[in-house]
Amino acid sequence: GAGVSQTPSNKVTEKGKYVELRCDPISGHTALYWYRQSLGQGPEFLIYFQGTGAADDSGLPNDRFFAVRPEGSVSTLKIQRTERGDSAVYLCASSPTGWETQYFGPGTRLLVL
Amino acid sequence: KQEVTQIPAALSVPEGENLVLNCSFTDSAIYNLQWFRQDPGKGLTSLLLIQSSQREQTSGRLNASLDKSSGRSTLYIAASQPGDSATYLCAVFSGGGADGLTFGKGTHLIIQP
Repeated sequence: GAGVSQTPSNKVTEKGKYVELRCDPISGHTALYWYRQSLGQGPEFLIYFQGTGAADDSGLPNDRFFAVRPEGSVSTLKIQRTERGDSAVYLCASSPTGWETQYFGPGTRLLVL
Repeated sequence: KQEVTQIPAALSVPEGENLVLNCSFTDSAIYNLQWFRQDPGKGLTSLLLIQSSQREQTSGRLNASLDKSSGRSTLYIAASQPGDSATYLCAVFSGGGADGLTFGKGTHLIIQP
């Protein structure tokens, strides 16, 4: 079956702009995660959804970052007033209920100029 | 706060050798531990997941062990091949409200033909 997909694969934007990153999880997976990976580092947890609700958003770095999952499937990560330090690969993962293997998408590479 | 450390940061070995990658974590109260593989510019591929009650898991030439009480895991790769070249990431899941994976920085592995 289809895996986790993310769009766009690459995004270049200018400092101060708004961006949206999309994640399509594996069908039927109720748990969805966003992570951010900087060069040479392991992924860092941002936010976890169980169904439509954000069960844990403790990893979001500040209030410029926000994510939604209105119908319990597709999720969008939104970044306002982007800064150069936001440049990273944003990874999305899903799992059946949240207690099993997490399956990762290919990521969106965000570059803020 | 959970911290995950991976040693070595990089490793280069000739094809055919058996090798061990190490992972340690500071808080032994984990639910499971996963090993992932990441190829350059790609997302993460799950290799093995070990539940906290298990001591090891095997998949083909890969064997992962877990010593929860001492906060350690190892990934053993037998008869290494050039196709095994990648970055290997260790991640722990604590559950109980800490709902994201905590990753190490990874071991960059090169298998020389």
